[in-house]
Amino acid sequence: KNQVEQSPQSLIILEGKNCTLQCNYTVSPFSNLRWYKQDTGRGPVSLTIMTFSENTKSNGRYTATLDADTKQSSLHITASQLSDSASYICVVRGNMLTFGGGTRLMVKP
Amino acid sequence: AAGVIQSPRHLIKEKRETATLKCYPIPRHDTVYWYQQGPGQDPQFLISFYEKMQSDKGSIPDRFSAQQFSDYHSELNMSSLELGDSALYFCASSLGRGEVGNIQYFGAGTRLSVL
Repeated sequence: KNQVEQSPQSLIILEGKNCTLQCNYTVSPFSNLRWYKQDTGRGPVSLTIMTFSENTKSNGRYTATLDADTKQSSLHITASQLSDSASYICVVRGNMLTFGGGTRLMVKP
Repeated sequence: AAGVIQSPRHLIKEKRETATLKCYPIPRHDTVYWYQQGPGQDPQFLISFYEKMQSDKGSIPDRFSAQQFSDYHSELNMSSLELGDSALYFCASSLGRGEVGNIQYFGAGTRLSVL
């Protein structure tokens, strides 16, 4: 069964600190993995997309990693800002899209 | 654990036809959201329902309507279909209306193709 598990489910950090969100998947076959940021009440916005051959991809303060062997991905946020408070969703594409449950990040001043 | 169930998985319609997409939220979830994702695009928020009442409205065309029923499942009704309506339609559910701490859980989506 295709599954995408994210951890932690929620996270609170202080402004300026770094954090790392985890995504483990069992989707097969694997096509790509995408991290989305979703602000409350809005649609998800794509941060990064990674294919099988990519290990690291950065988008500003966001850096995603992918280990296709262990089927794990991480999203690292550096120098967090208050506007980073949102849900971060890991989505894996195989024969279909499988969404993770998301990590709810709250950045406090 | 039970997830968000969407049906059908695939749907093929012709222009000017109607389509109905169904979404069954995670048990005990009271809020349902609908999203439309065109090819190569991020999902766009259409509409949401909380406790069977419309909660928020996004970029939903007037040709579309939706409702949430007493068992909390939701249906998205699409009329006078156009070629541009071809997309993936996602449903998500949450407990609560998206306040801080509430996470939306997504279904696998319904792929609509309008010919």
